Amino acid sequence: SQKIEQNSEALNIQEGKTATLTCNYTNYSPAYLQWYRQDPGRGPVFLLLIRENEKEKRKERLKVTFDTTLKQSLFHITASQPADSATYLCALDEQAGTALIFGKGTTLSVSS
Amino acid sequence: GAVVSQHPSWVICKSGTSVKIECRSLDFQATTMFWYRQFPKQSLMLMATSNEGSKATYEQGVEKDKFLINHASLTLSTLTVTSAHPEDSSFYICSARDVQGSTEAFFGQGTRLTVV
Repeated sequence: SQKIEQNSEALNIQEGKTATLTCNYTNYSPAYLQWYRQDPGRGPVFLLLIRENEKEKRKERLKVTFDTTLKQSLFHITASQPADSATYLCALDEQAGTALIFGKGTTLSVSS
Repeated sequence: GAVVSQHPSWVICKSGTSVKIECRSLDFQATTMFWYRQFPKQSLMLMATSNEGSKATYEQGVEKDKFLINHASLTLSTLTVTSAHPEDSSFYICSARDVQGSTEAFFGQGTRLTVV
C-alpha cells in the first residue's frame, strides 16, 4: 500500500540548533516533493519544492534533500528560532497540477 | 505568492442544517481546486477535486450527495456540507494551483466547522 511517513510526531530542540525532519514514502513515484508549514488553525504555507532529479535545495535557513533511491526527504532548519515552531508537512506530487498527498506532519517546538 | 481566500474561517451550525464554504483565488485563475479535511493531529485528507465547469471528482469514501462542490468560475469553488452532523465537525481547507503550471499549491485559511 502507499504510505507517507514523517517519522516524528513531535520534535523539541533548543534555539540555535539545527532541526532535521524526515519524510519517507513507499509505493509512490513523485515527480516533486514539497514541504509546507502549518500553524494551528491555519492552512499550510509553501516552503520548498524539490524535483526528482535534484539532490538538494536551499532557501535562506532551510535545506531540503531528496533521495529517490532511499525514497526519503530530509528537511533542515538551521539556526532555529522560537518563531520556527509549527507543524511541518511533507507532500508528494506525482504529477504537476494534481492533488498533493500529505504526510501527518511533524510538530517542531523551538525553546529559547 | 498567490492568494487563496476561504470564507468563513469558522462556523457553528445545528445538526441537520447545511453550511456553505467558499474558496476564491484572488490573483490567479484556477482550473482545478482541491478540498481537504483535517482532523486534530491528522494529515490533510483529500476529499475531492473540483474542476471548473464540470463535476467534481470525489475520493473513495466521500459522499458526493453530502459534500456538494460547485466550481462555477476560474476563481471560485464552493463546498456545501448538507444535513451536517457532529461527526462532520472538522477543519476544511481548500487549495488551488495556478493554470500556468506552477507546481506549488496555495491554500486557504481553512474553515473550522463545529456541528452541535
